[in-house]
Formats: sequence, C-alpha cells, structure tokens
Amino acid sequence: GQQLNQSPQSMFIQEGEDVSMNCTSSSIFNTWLWYKQDPGEGPVLLIALYKAGELTSNGRLTAQFGITRKDSFLNISASIPSDVGIYFCAGQGVTGNQFYFGTGTSLTVIP
Amino acid sequence: DAGITQSPRHKVTETGTPVTLRCHQTENHRYMYWYRQDPGHGLRLIHYSYGVKDTDKGEVSDGYSVSRSKTEDFLLTLESATSSQTSVYFCAISEPGLAGGYEQYFGPGTRLTVT
Repeated sequence: GQQLNQSPQSMFIQEGEDVSMNCTSSSIFNTWLWYKQDPGEGPVLLIALYKAGELTSNGRLTAQFGITRKDSFLNISASIPSDVGIYFCAGQGVTGNQFYFGTGTSLTVIP
Repeated sequence: DAGITQSPRHKVTETGTPVTLRCHQTENHRYMYWYRQDPGHGLRLIHYSYGVKDTDKGEVSDGYSVSRSKTEDFLLTLESATSSQTSVYFCAISEPGLAGGYEQYFGPGTRLTVT
C-alpha cells in the first residue's frame, strides 16, 4: 500500500515558536487532510484541502495543497502546550474513495 | 465527531479465539472503513464498505473479515485471533467535502490485545 513520506518524525520546540511539517507522495491526490491525535484517542480532522495551490487556515494552523498535487504542508504558529500530540497527513486517491496516511509527526511543546 | 462509536473500547482475548469489533454511525454515511494503527506503520486499511453488503479489501486484510448488513453498522471479525493482530483498531467514515473531494472522520478506537 502507498504510504506518504511525512517529516519531521518528531519535534521539540519552545512554547511560542512556529512549527512546520510536510508530506510528500509519489502519486497525485484529490484531497489532502491534516489530523491531530492525542494519546488514547482517534485522529481529529484539522484542515481539509481540495485544490492544488489552495492555502487554508484554521486558527493558528495553516495548510497548503502543493501545486503538483503530490505534497502538502502544515504550519502551526505561536505554539502552546495543548498543541502537543501526533499530527498526520492523509491523501485521498484520484480513483475510488481510499485514503493514504503519513506515519506522523510527534510534537512536544516545552513551556 | 460524525456520530461514530466503537465497541468494545478495550478487549483482551486469547490466541485462536474469534473476535468481533463493532462500528456504529448515526448519520447515514455510505462509506465506512476499518484501519489498524501500529507503531512505525501509521494507519493501514483493513477493509472498507461502499454500501450495504458492498465491501472490499484493503492493504492488510488477511485474517480479517467484515460485514455490513445495515447502513449504520460495520463489523470487523478476526476469525482466529493471533498475537500479530494486537493493535488499535479505528473505524472511519468519509463524507463529501468540496470540489468533489472527501473528508474522513474517525471513531475513538478499540484497543485489542491478543495473548
């Protein structure tokens, strides 16, 4: 199965710093999705992107759908302790209704 | 949360026993999915359904079967559990977003331990 390349694997940052993570794929996608997962819980959808070049914000989060349709990035500005968790990217394939996932970026925010 | 519940939330079972996990949704979504999540592997698709009695295999379907006799319920069965099936299992639905794309939402997960 296809797996997306997500980087970095982990990040340790000071509270107030900005964060950036990205995902790349060898295939093009119709949709890029970004999730956050807290321990013991299911992934929660943060942002959905539908068109190449699209830039979308959700509060302090900003994500972009790459122009080639093979990549996406997520930025978190002015990080706070509750941003701690694992962030996943996902892409919806161009045929059918299947989704493919990155292996996640573990974010630690140091107060 | 897209109205998705999973049961049980935790289960410990012995090798060789059958296990059924249930996913229930209340919002009439057509597409439903079962994933497993393991360290270092991310989320991997086991089976998915595109309607009542319409299912298809995913990437890691060996040792698993599914059934969907009603829109709201999607069952995952391990016919004879093995230790390699110890994992966290997530149910998900997808619904239309914008521009022909889809969004996917997850349930709270079931932690299964096979001893």
